[in-house]
Amino acid sequence: DQQVKQNSPSLSVQEGRISILNCDYTNSMFDYFLWYKKYPAEGPTFLISISSIKDKNEDGRFTVFLNKSAKHLSLHIVPSQPGDSAVYFCAAIPRSGTYKYIFGTGTRLKVLA
Amino acid sequence: GAGVSQSPSNKVTEKGKDVELRCDPISGHTALYWYRQSLGQGLEFLIYFQGNSAPDKSGLPSDRFSAERTGGSVSTLTIQRTQQEDSAVYLCASSSTRTTGELFFGEGSRLTVL
Repeated sequence: DQQVKQNSPSLSVQEGRISILNCDYTNSMFDYFLWYKKYPAEGPTFLISISSIKDKNEDGRFTVFLNKSAKHLSLHIVPSQPGDSAVYFCAAIPRSGTYKYIFGTGTRLKVLA
Repeated sequence: GAGVSQSPSNKVTEKGKDVELRCDPISGHTALYWYRQSLGQGLEFLIYFQGNSAPDKSGLPSDRFSAERTGGSVSTLTIQRTQQEDSAVYLCASSSTRTTGELFFGEGSRLTVL
C-alpha cells in the first residue's frame, strides 16, 4: 500500500528550463511534506518542506506547491542546472506518529547541458 | 564527525550469515531512524529511536531483524540468517526534534546477500 507515489521514475530537462517533479499521496491525514535529493553513493539530503496549512513554499530556485484537494505535491526547479541531476524523493508525515516519515519511490532527474 | 556516519559502506555476505550495520548519529540528535532502500523502491521505514523511549519497531520486516541504540547514541542494526531479499541499502538518519523536522542521513550501508 504505497501512500506516497511518484509515478515518474525519470525525467530529463534541458539546462535553464523548468523541472517539475510530481508526488501524489492517498492519506488526507498527512500534515507535513518534504523533498529530499539524493546523489549516487550518498545519503538523501533535505531540500525543502511545506506544511499542510500552506499551498506554496519557495526557497531560491526551488518551489514546492501543495494541492490538498487533489492530494498532489510538486517541486519546481527553475532554472534547472546540471548539478540538480539526482534522485528526488518526496516524503510525508502523518499527524499521528509524526516521526514516521513515509517516502515515495523517487524520480531520477537528469538536467542536460 | 559532523554528519551521520555509517559502517560498513559495503557488505557482501552469504545467505544464512548474520550481519551488523552500525550508525553513529550527529552528536546531540535524540532521534535516530533506520530505513532501507531496495532496488527500485522508496525508502522503507524500519525502526525509530527517540531518547530513552521504547523504540518503534513496527517497520522491521521479520524477527530476523533487530536494532539497538546504546547510550542514546550509536545504533546497530542486526540481520540474522540473511536472505537474498535482504539485499538493499540500509540508511540511518538522525534529527534533533521529536516531530517534524529535517532528517540527516548517512551515506548508507549497501548489503548484498549472495
